Amino acid sequence: QKEVEQDPGPLSVPEGAIVSLNCTYSNSAFQYFMWYRQYSRKGPELLMYTYSSGNKEDGRFTAQVDKSSKYISLFIRDSQPSDSATYLCAMSPNTGNQFYFGTGTSLTVIP
Amino acid sequence: KAGVTQTPRYLIKTRGQQVTLSCSPISGHRSVSWYQQTPGQGLQFLFEYFSETQRNKGNFPGRFSGRQFSNSRSEMNVSTLELGDSALYLCASSFTNFNTGELFFGEGSRLTVL
Repeated sequence: QKEVEQDPGPLSVPEGAIVSLNCTYSNSAFQYFMWYRQYSRKGPELLMYTYSSGNKEDGRFTAQVDKSSKYISLFIRDSQPSDSATYLCAMSPNTGNQFYFGTGTSLTVIP
Repeated sequence: KAGVTQTPRYLIKTRGQQVTLSCSPISGHRSVSWYQQTPGQGLQFLFEYFSETQRNKGNFPGRFSGRQFSNSRSEMNVSTLELGDSALYLCASSFTNFNTGELFFGEGSRLTVL
């Protein structure tokens, strides 16, 4: 069993929809949680970074962490065609830079 | 400010050969991490270097090795290539080896092993 599980999709939504992306994990030591976005033929780029449980909002993006359920989510409001990309969750148990990534969810936002 | 530069971008090798990939981090960044990305496994951590020292190593065989130079540039080497080594190899840099959540990734080196 992988330490981080992520539904690969693909996910296709109309422009303006609310998108929900999720990951589950098995290692209770994970404390740092991140969401990265990867466009085709590009490297991943950081979207959201949270520590421990709770919510964090940044513009149209909201990240939620539920450590009791070992479940994290990313919500995208008013989705735009430019949001079409692969979204990767990542997490870490400590203050080092060794991250554990999900396999990514492919999202397409249709104009 | 220039981003993370990886060379070569694409390469094809045959089984048994070895390959060296190069990564130039963002200026001022001292931490360089390497990840292997495949469709089935996603991104998997290979190793991290900070100030020329390997700080962390993932669960990969000894055929995978790396190093970092005094200017923070890094190389990774894969010896005795296997078909399963075909992947996108991503390098990421960070100012510090302390987790800020933000790794700056290059566009990767896509290795195909025939």
